[in-house]
Amino acid sequence: GDSVTQMEGPVTLSEEAFLTINCTYTATGYPSLFWYVQYPGEGLQLLLKATKADDKGSNKGFEATYRKETTSFHLEKGSVQVSDSAVYFCALSGQAGAQKLVFGQGTRLTINP
Amino acid sequence: DAGVIQSPRHEVTEMGQEVTLRCKPISGHNSLFWYRQTMMRGLELLIYFNNNVPIDDSGMPEDRFSAKMPNASFSTLKIQPSEPRDSAVYFCASRTNPGQGRTDTQYFGPGTRLTVL
Repeated sequence: GDSVTQMEGPVTLSEEAFLTINCTYTATGYPSLFWYVQYPGEGLQLLLKATKADDKGSNKGFEATYRKETTSFHLEKGSVQVSDSAVYFCALSGQAGAQKLVFGQGTRLTINP
Repeated sequence: DAGVIQSPRHEVTEMGQEVTLRCKPISGHNSLFWYRQTMMRGLELLIYFNNNVPIDDSGMPEDRFSAKMPNASFSTLKIQPSEPRDSAVYFCASRTNPGQGRTDTQYFGPGTRLTVL
């Protein structure tokens, strides 16, 4: 079945550091790919998404590129802030008509001032 | 738009009691999802509905769990009887159906933190 594997956390960085959180997936066909973020005490919020190969999703300085050849969707940010501290989830949605989101295990990110 | 609304936000109950969690999806959304989040198992899909009809309940852990969606603006997740291992954060999410020319993004509510003593 479909699955998502994320870089294990927790990840701790200093403010203004470069961030990469790795995500790889296994799926048949052409899934849509998502990054969700969960701030403490809140529900998940969509951060960005990409629906086809080579698409780049971006939001709030975060970026991720849908790489079909490596089945990856790594999350990057050039300069992180303390306010980026959260748990980040990579997810996929299967082919058209498939409605389930399959989530990775989440990566906890802490940014120190 | 108020977003997905869940109630209560926190629930503490004793083992054996019935627990009912409630969800109001975003108006106009016709798919609704119930998830459970724990440290050990991460985020698990329990059940989802399309147009108020349950489509896949394979994630519902046991017969003690049941979910209903009597209309497009309301859903419940019931646990009867509750057990300590049911302690978790339960999320509701909604989205539009695919194939309507819209995004397939799921929008999550703030969750209900359930503690069963």
